[in-house]
Amino acid sequence: AQSVSQHNHHVILSEAASLELGCNYSYGGTVNLFWYVQYPGQHLQLLLKYFSGDPLVKGIKGFEAEFIKSKFSFNLRKPSVQWSDTAEYFCAVHTGGFKTIFGAGTRLFVKA
Amino acid sequence: NAGVTQTPKFQVLKTGQSMTLQCAQDMNHNSMYWYRQDPGMGLRLIYYSASEGTTDKGEVPNGYNVSRLNKREFSLRLESAAPSQTSVYFCASSEDGRANTEAFFGQGTRLTVV
Repeated sequence: AQSVSQHNHHVILSEAASLELGCNYSYGGTVNLFWYVQYPGQHLQLLLKYFSGDPLVKGIKGFEAEFIKSKFSFNLRKPSVQWSDTAEYFCAVHTGGFKTIFGAGTRLFVKA
Repeated sequence: NAGVTQTPKFQVLKTGQSMTLQCAQDMNHNSMYWYRQDPGMGLRLIYYSASEGTTDKGEVPNGYNVSRLNKREFSLRLESAAPSQTSVYFCASSEDGRANTEAFFGQGTRLTVV
């Protein structure tokens, strides 16, 4: 079955630390990849997306993600996190039609 | 620009009660979705509406019904609520179902069934 796996359910970092959140998917066909973020009390919003081309994509607020096809991975990175990055992060994979599969989410807490 | 608006934000139901979750979008999107979010399971698609006048089952449709009232509105109904339906429900919309279209989400409805 198609699935999206996010390796860490909870991450705690201090401000200025580097962040990498893992995401792996199981689907052999063409995929379109997303990271969404949900800040406390707010709705999910798009952080970045990959459809084709350069596998390193840049999103809002200094986030970037790298698509590694051979590893079925789409990890999210940020060189230096801020307290305002405290949120829940969801990796999502669109496999076709109206089917988007979401990972379980990673809760990030950044200590000031 | 409100985007996607869901009501209510919180609801407590007794087992067997019914209720309807309302969702409206003002972005002239063709496609709308209902998801539920449970701890450790991410978002799972309940129903979707590819365009006005159509609805289709998603991954977890049992116990739910939907209505695409018009292009703007897509409601989710629980006819006889069960404790297993305790969850956070999200409505979303997108321009259409193409892979490269972003989904826009509402703020969610936290439903507890006791």
